[in-house]
Amino acid sequence: DTGVSQDPRHKITKRGQNVTFRCDPISEHNRLYWYRQTLGQGPEFLTYFQNEAQLEKSRLLSDRFSAERPKGSFSTLEIQRTEQGDSAMYLCASSQGLALTDTQYFGPGTRLTVL
Amino acid sequence: AQKITQTQPGMFVQEKEAVTLDCTYDTSDQSYGLFWYKQPSSGEMIFLIYQGSYDEQNATEGRYSLNFQKARKSANLVISASQLGDSAMYFCAMREGNTGNQFYFGTGTSLTVIP
Repeated sequence: DTGVSQDPRHKITKRGQNVTFRCDPISEHNRLYWYRQTLGQGPEFLTYFQNEAQLEKSRLLSDRFSAERPKGSFSTLEIQRTEQGDSAMYLCASSQGLALTDTQYFGPGTRLTVL
Repeated sequence: AQKITQTQPGMFVQEKEAVTLDCTYDTSDQSYGLFWYKQPSSGEMIFLIYQGSYDEQNATEGRYSLNFQKARKSANLVISASQLGDSAMYFCAMREGNTGNQFYFGTGTSLTVIP
């Protein structure tokens, strides 16, 4: 198993453009999480999926953001009409279950720069 | 109130020495889990160690140990015999028993190991 992968690793876009990121979780993990990390801060929760169902969304996830996990495997995070404030590292994590001991394993992240 | 507080923005340690990174947490749940992650400059969050609220013994994983003081709500990470490769950002995180869907992260501590 190669762990959580994310694509692309870096994305530079102009304000107003749409961007889409992909996350491939560890294969046997049914839970998938998206976080956003800005400079000097820890990751902040955006949303999570159990299989294909999106079960929770943070208030940080404005209506310009949408996430999907169509077959319960990989997930995509789309940002429409990007703004400079969207510049951040977008991290994906996956886990097997919801027990307290259940560790979230993170991917390398996608660094977004909005010009 | 912040769920996780890390009061040390930056720390320096001599190679081969031990270092303690501080973390305090805030929760009203009786059941919760505490995690430490390492984030090198490459950006990936690497899981280090876990401590459950009901665990009676402090967690240890190789050179990492967790000094868990429940009454003080602190979960400090101790790294023994520091190595140059330990230079990175370190994040403390908590999962609460009642929600369990997201991790709350602190702002991190930047550790620099000096040769």
